[in-house]
Amino acid sequence: AQSVTQPDIHITVSEGASLELRCNYSYGATPYLFWYVQSPGQGLQLLLKYFSGDTLVQGIKGFEAEFKRSQSSFNLRKPSVHWSDAAEYFCAVGPRGGASKLTFGTGTRLQVTL
Amino acid sequence: NAGVTQTPKFQVLKTGQSMTLQCAQDMNHEYMSWYRQDPGMGLRLIHYSVGAGITDQGEVPNGYNVSRSTTEDFPLRLLSAAPSQTSVYFCASSDGPNYGYTFGSGTRLTVV
Repeated sequence: AQSVTQPDIHITVSEGASLELRCNYSYGATPYLFWYVQSPGQGLQLLLKYFSGDTLVQGIKGFEAEFKRSQSSFNLRKPSVHWSDAAEYFCAVGPRGGASKLTFGTGTRLQVTL
Repeated sequence: NAGVTQTPKFQVLKTGQSMTLQCAQDMNHEYMSWYRQDPGMGLRLIHYSVGAGITDQGEVPNGYNVSRSTTEDFPLRLLSAAPSQTSVYFCASSDGPNYGYTFGSGTRLTVV
């Protein structure tokens, strides 16, 4: 069965600093990969997705993620964090052609200090 | 454009009561799903649908029923509420397997 691991439950960074959120997956083949963000009391918003091709994908709000097949990872990055980026971030995987069945990680809560 | 609309936003039920969580989308999406979110567990798939008249079980379907009579609506029914069903429920829709999901703002359910 597929699984997603987000090893960092909580991360604190200073505004303007760079950010990397880790995501590792276990899957039989290369899945579809997603990052979502959830602000307090809100639903989830899609940041970016990877299906195939260029392993570095760009998303909204200045985020990017890199797919590394050899490491089964899909880490999310941002060069300079803004206070408004404070939220919870979820990595998710889905089978190719069956992305109706997403498996989510447990999330990483990002705190931004001024 | 309303996107995915969930009602109610908050609900308190007594053990054994039944209720329906409503979900409607106005984007003509074929794929719709229900997830529950519990602290430290991420989101877990309850049921999903790939089109009107087609539904299937996800990871945690016990105690829940769904139906999809129209493209727009995907209600989630709790047959006999239990405290273990206290959670935040999210409905989501998608244009297909190559697209990400659009999520509703959630329903916070407490079963006492």
